[in-house]
Amino acid sequence: GQQLNQSPQSMFIQEGEDVSMNCTSSSIFNTWLWYKQDPGEGPVLLIALYKAGELTSNGRLTAQFGITRKDSFLNISASIPSDVGIYFCAGQLRGSNYKLTFGKGTLLTVNP
Amino acid sequence: GAVVSQHPSWVICKSGTSVKIECRSLDFQATTMFWYRQFPKQSLMLMATSNEGSKATYEQGVEKDKFLINHASLTLSTLTVTSAHPEDSSFYICSARDPGLAKETQYFGPGTRLLVL
Repeated sequence: GQQLNQSPQSMFIQEGEDVSMNCTSSSIFNTWLWYKQDPGEGPVLLIALYKAGELTSNGRLTAQFGITRKDSFLNISASIPSDVGIYFCAGQLRGSNYKLTFGKGTLLTVNP
Repeated sequence: GAVVSQHPSWVICKSGTSVKIECRSLDFQATTMFWYRQFPKQSLMLMATSNEGSKATYEQGVEKDKFLINHASLTLSTLTVTSAHPEDSSFYICSARDPGLAKETQYFGPGTRLLVL
């Protein structure tokens, strides 16, 4: 099946630092979604991207839909302790019947 | 964002019993819902697509007779794990697609943790 390569697998940063993570694929996606998952909970939608080149912000979070439609990145600025969690990218292929393909996640740890 | 609920949030059962998990969209009608399972420290794995009023579509390798899905209304899909065994212990998460939105988005439920003894 389709795969999304998400990196890095994990990050350990100090509070206040900026963070960047990305997803790449060999396939072209119509939609990119970024989710955050806290332990024992379901993923929460952070940002949705629908057009190549689209750059969208949600507070301290910024994500972009790559021009090639095969990649996306998520930036978090001025990290705070509550940013801790697992971040997943998810892509939707045209004709996939709305199914999402998930990356393997980036575990973010923020040291206060 | 839209709200999706799951019930129960956790369940412990004996091997051989069946367990039903409910997924509800609370403020929109979901013609399509999805069921995932997630093992510790792993990503979400799509099990099946639940379509209101029709049969579910299962991903390769997922036993449809073991994981029964019923999407009887526009706001409710159920997943029944039949004759559960310890290897079925996992975190089950549903998501719902809001067709009323101009742009495609999926919202996830809080998950159900299943432990089979």
